[in-house]
Amino acid sequence: EAGVTQSPTHLIKTRGQQATLRCSPISGHTSVYWYQQALGLGLQFLLWYDEGEERNRGNFPPRFSGRQFPNYSSELNVNALELEDSALYLCASSRTVTNSPLHFGNGTRLTVT
Amino acid sequence: KQEVTQIPAALSVPEGENLVLNCSFTDSAIYNLQWFRQDPGKGLTSLLLIQSSQREQTSGRLNASLDKSSGRSTLYIAASQPGDSATYLCAVFPGTSYGKLTFGQGTILTVHP
Repeated sequence: EAGVTQSPTHLIKTRGQQATLRCSPISGHTSVYWYQQALGLGLQFLLWYDEGEERNRGNFPPRFSGRQFPNYSSELNVNALELEDSALYLCASSRTVTNSPLHFGNGTRLTVT
Repeated sequence: KQEVTQIPAALSVPEGENLVLNCSFTDSAIYNLQWFRQDPGKGLTSLLLIQSSQREQTSGRLNASLDKSSGRSTLYIAASQPGDSATYLCAVFPGTSYGKLTFGQGTILTVHP
């Protein structure tokens, strides 16, 4: 069974640009979650999508947005990039049942210069 | 606001030792708790999920326990090996907003030959 896949592995952008990160969940999983892991700040919840709908978002500004496609894959968009957006962005997926564990991908390392 | 604390922050042990990692949380109204490991520069690997109605879960050399009333979980690793070296993270599922996990800062484990 293929795990959660994320692309690209690394992304380098300059301040003010836009970044698009992509995630493919495990087959059969309908929920996708995005987390940010910035140095020294730990893992912070960004967004949760299920069945194409945004179910919840964390304490991040509106320039962080995303969507989930009919095949349950997802993309995260970050507009007007700031230096502090540099981080490892992790995507996770799960089945839409309350006792389903989350499975994470290897992340996209975003560097903003 | 839920806060998750992991003790110790770092641990170095010789190969073969049994060890315990601790996780405490401030709000006992959690749904589940999940333990992960993270290798440097990589994503998270799911180790064990403990449902709120369970007291413990076992997988191979790993055993995780959960005491909701005291706000504590422990991860027991038997007969540690150098390949166990990684950062271990615990995460609690809130009673609502299922996918909005709160993570601890992690315990960095080093097992030396």
